Amino acid sequence: DAGVTQSPTHLIKTRGQHVTLRCSPISGHKSVSWYQQVLGQGPQFIFQYYEKEERGRGNFPDRFSARQFPNYSSELNVNALLLGDSALYLCASSPRPLQETQYFGPGTRLLVL
Amino acid sequence: TQLLEQSPQFLSIQEGENLTVYCNSSSVFSSLQWYRQEPGEGPVLLVTVVTGGEVKKLKRLTFQFGDARKDSSLHITAAQPGDTGLYLCAGEGRDSGAGSYQLTFGKGTKLSVIP
Repeated sequence: DAGVTQSPTHLIKTRGQHVTLRCSPISGHKSVSWYQQVLGQGPQFIFQYYEKEERGRGNFPDRFSARQFPNYSSELNVNALLLGDSALYLCASSPRPLQETQYFGPGTRLLVL
Repeated sequence: TQLLEQSPQFLSIQEGENLTVYCNSSSVFSSLQWYRQEPGEGPVLLVTVVTGGEVKKLKRLTFQFGDARKDSSLHITAAQPGDTGLYLCAGEGRDSGAGSYQLTFGKGTKLSVIP
C-alpha cells in the first residue's frame, strides 16, 4: 500500500512569491496535518484538517493557509514568502484527528532565496 | 504554549555502548510518542506511551513515560550503526496558546553510532 505522498519533493522560490504544496494521505485516512521543520529543529504544527474542515491551527501567520479536498488530499499555501519560510514541510495522515498514529510523508524541501 | 525539551541535542557513541535520551516538559500530555527521522525522510513512529509510569520495549529500545505524564526517556542498549538518526519526542495534547489539539515536538537528539 502507498504511504503518504507529497509533491513536489524540492522547490526553490524567491521572496514575495507564493507556493502550493500537495499531500495525498494513505488510502482510508481522513485526517491530514501539516508541519514545518526548520533545519536543526523538530517539526512544528501548522494545520490539521479532518473531513475537509480545519480542526486545529498552530502559531503561524495568516500567510499560511490550507484546504482539504473531497478525496482527502490537501494543499498548503504560503503567500508572500520570507527567507525564514525555508524549511522541510511535512504532511501526516491518520484515520481520525485525535489520538491516532500519524504517518508522515517524506516532505517537501522549500528554499526561499 | 507547550514545550518539550530534549537532551542531549547531539550524541556520538561507539558501537556497543548504551545511551539514554530525555524528553521533559512542564505540561501534561495525553500521550507521548517517539519518532526516528533519517535525512530526507519524514519521521517514523517508534512507540506511543499513554499511561503514566508505562514502560515499553522494542528490541534494544526501552521507552518510559513519567508518572506525571510530563516526561519520557528512550534507552538504547548496545547501540549499532543502524541506530544512527534523529530521535524526536512528541507530546499529544491541547495547546492553550493556539487552542488546538496537536502534536508538539521536541528539537530532537541527533545520534551517531560509530562502528
